[in-house]
Amino acid sequence: GEDVEQSLFLSVREGDSSVINCTYTDSSSTYLYWYKQEPGAGLQLLTYIFSNMDMKQDQRLTVLLNKKDKHLSLRIADTQTGDSAIYFCAVSGSGNTGKLIFGQGTTLQVKP
Amino acid sequence: DVKVTQSSRYLVKRTGEKVFLECVQDMDHENMFWYRQDPGLGLRLIYFSYDVKMKEKGDIPEGYSVSREKKERFSLILESASTNQTSMYLCASSLLSQKLFFGSGTQLSVL
Repeated sequence: GEDVEQSLFLSVREGDSSVINCTYTDSSSTYLYWYKQEPGAGLQLLTYIFSNMDMKQDQRLTVLLNKKDKHLSLRIADTQTGDSAIYFCAVSGSGNTGKLIFGQGTTLQVKP
Repeated sequence: DVKVTQSSRYLVKRTGEKVFLECVQDMDHENMFWYRQDPGLGLRLIYFSYDVKMKEKGDIPEGYSVSREKKERFSLILESASTNQTSMYLCASSLLSQKLFFGSGTQLSVL
């Protein structure tokens, strides 16, 4: 079945850029998403990219998609302590079901 | 804004109890989902539903059932709770095949 992989932990200093990476196996995924989960909360949609795009920028966030390598990344510029959270990569499952397949989540720690 | 409400933030139950987790969404979404979240495993889909009285198994349905009698409400049922069902349970809804909106989660502890 579909598999989505992320590294589990990333630590950066405040003001640096953060890059969170994700790989997936199903090349038919139409939409690819990044969700953020703050402590004690549910998941909040951060941004998403359509599969026919290779880049999307939204303020401090840049999403890069390499379809050939099945690689998705999220770059956060000027990382702040408020960006500390778990970040989940998710891809739409096969068929038009609305299902999302999630990675394990990357915990981003921002040090002052 | 879409609101997905889970009835309990924390629940503590005993092994063998029947447990109901309730979820309500207010945006007339067709699709509703139940995931469980465990450290290092991410989110795993338990069940989902496309419409009232419709349900489909996800990746880990064993030990769970669901009910969708009304469009806005999707219930997850643990018929006989076990300790390995201690987890964070997340409900989500979406319009057709669009992006998911999540509730705040229910942290269930089974003792």
